[in-house]
Amino acid sequence: DAGVIQSPRHEVTEMGQEVTLRCKPISGHDYLFWYRQTMMRGLELLIYFNNNVPIDDSGMPEDRFSAKMPNASFSTLKIQPSEPRDSAVYFCASSLRRGTEQFFGPGTRLTVL
Amino acid sequence: QQQVKQSPQSLIVQKGGISIINCAYENTAFDYFPWYQQFPGKGPALLIAIRPDVSEKKEGRFTISFNKSAKQFSLHIMDSQPGDSATYFCAATSMDSSYKLIFGSGTRLLVRP
Repeated sequence: DAGVIQSPRHEVTEMGQEVTLRCKPISGHDYLFWYRQTMMRGLELLIYFNNNVPIDDSGMPEDRFSAKMPNASFSTLKIQPSEPRDSAVYFCASSLRRGTEQFFGPGTRLTVL
Repeated sequence: QQQVKQSPQSLIVQKGGISIINCAYENTAFDYFPWYQQFPGKGPALLIAIRPDVSEKKEGRFTISFNKSAKQFSLHIMDSQPGDSATYFCAATSMDSSYKLIFGSGTRLLVRP
């Protein structure tokens, strides 16, 4: 298996633009997680899905952030409109079952100018 | 109460030395304590994990020591190697929180040759 796949790896955009980050979890994994990593706040869980259904989005910082999982092999995290403070590395992770090892993707480094 | 406090922030060790990273928590409901290793430009990867029913777990050169009464756990890296240079995150979670990982702030380890 190729592991968790994220795209793009790097994204540079201007304030106010819409940004869409993509994730393909490991096949067969029931759980998908979106994290944000910054120097100031470390690794933060934004939202997670179980069987394509959002379970907990309490970590989503604002209404500008939204996430979807239309099927078991694809998820998106969208920021609209983007702001400079959204600059961070965004990770997607998946796990086989609840409470099992989470496998992280390589991340998307987002820079909002 | 959901925080996990990690120290030190950075650590420099000579090759062959022992690296020790400490974490403390407050939520007594936490029942799973993983350590993740992250290399630059990569996502975190599970290194080793422990549950509170044991006081120590060893995998190769990596050992977790767990002190339930003190609500502390630590990672020991024996015979540290330059290839161990990375950022290490402790984490904690529980069934009560649906196994959402709460990460420590990270320790940047540098092993000098």
